[in-house]
This record gives sequence, C-alpha cells and structure tokens, in this order.
Amino acid sequence: AQSVTQLDSQVPVFEEAPVELRCNYSSSVSVYLFWYVQYPNQGLQLLLKYLSGSTLVKGINGFEAEFNKSQTSFHLRKPSVHISDTAEYFCAVISTDSWGKFQFGAGTQVVVTP
Amino acid sequence: EAGVAQSPRYKIIEKRQSVAFWCNPISGHATLYWYQQILGQGPKLLIQFQNNGVVDDSQLPKDRFSAERLKGVDSTLKIQPAKLEDSAVYLCASSSLIQGPPYEQYFGPGTRLTVT
Repeated sequence: AQSVTQLDSQVPVFEEAPVELRCNYSSSVSVYLFWYVQYPNQGLQLLLKYLSGSTLVKGINGFEAEFNKSQTSFHLRKPSVHISDTAEYFCAVISTDSWGKFQFGAGTQVVVTP
Repeated sequence: EAGVAQSPRYKIIEKRQSVAFWCNPISGHATLYWYQQILGQGPKLLIQFQNNGVVDDSQLPKDRFSAERLKGVDSTLKIQPAKLEDSAVYLCASSSLIQGPPYEQYFGPGTRLTVT
C-alpha cells in the first residue's frame, strides 16, 4: 500500500518570496511522483512529475521539485512567487505495481499576499 | 486537443434526491476515473474504468453510488439517494495506455455538488 503526507495544510507567503511545499510518501515498491495545482473552481493541472533519472525535476510556471529516495520526500519549490500562484497544491504517488491508481495527499493551500 | 469535459458544473439537491454527473474523456483515452474531493481533502478515487470494464471500485459506496461507461467513451456517475456527506466536487480524469506508464491523468473541471 502507498500513502502520501503533505506536511503543511496552509502556507502563507509574500509576493516575490520563495516557497517550499513538503511531501513525504511511503511505499513498499518504486513510485512515480507528481505535483498538481488546483485553482479555484477548476480541475487539477499537472505541474511536474518524477518518473526516473535526475532527481531534480523542473515543471511549469517556474516550479521545481527534488526527489529524495532516502528520505522518501518530493518537496516542491519556487524561488519567487506571484499573486497568481495562490492555489491548492497536491502531491500524488503512483506505485509501479498499482497500474495507474493515484494516491493524493490532503493538499497545501498557498496564499500569496502583496 | 480537447480536454476532459464534465457537466453540470454545479448542482444543488436535497437529501434523498438523486443526481447524475456526465464525463467525456479525451479522445482515445482508454482509462477513465471518477474521484470525490471533499472540501479540505485530496481527491479520493471512487471508480476506475478500462474501456467499458471496471478495474477498481473498491471505494465506491455501492449502496447509493453507481457508474457506467457504455461503449468505452462517455461515463455517468449517479447517486441515489443522496446524503448530506455526499457534498463534494466530483472530478473525472482520463489517461492513455498508449503513452505507457505511469498513465498520466488529465482532469476535467469537476462538478460541485451541494446536498441540503
């Protein structure tokens, strides 16, 4: 079985400041990792994904994430946020034996203020 | 390429009434998912279809929820009778086997259900 823990339910941040959203997972087999963003009243949009290879993954809108196998983490970062980054962010895991079944974290609400 | 379409976008019903949601996946996507997203939580998988067959419905409350995917394209999710705790956003997603693992999912805008 797999599970995902997002360590912060809400992260307030000032515009142009950096932000880090923390995600830890557990799984008995290898995993694929994802970050999705959900803007108000919209569906989920893929930010980035880790499948294999380089542990530093770059995504859309200036976001990046680093896969750390020893710490079973996949933290999301952005060096300078904009007001438009205000949204809910979800970490998700697919284990390699689950054939496409996502396990989502509870989400982290990012609120960017001027 | 058109995205995943869902309708209606919003629905308000009284408890014990029935409701149905519709989803049209991305053309050619064999796999279709229905998720329930309760406010403040991540999406929870209700049912997964592969073409018109069910792959996983272990978290579907079968006493009140039903879903079908006729002809392996569109899908409907029904709740009958609805309870207050069914208030949530219902998300539909689809993925393509052709692209290979990990079968990245593409999400529709969701249907927000309010049960009063």
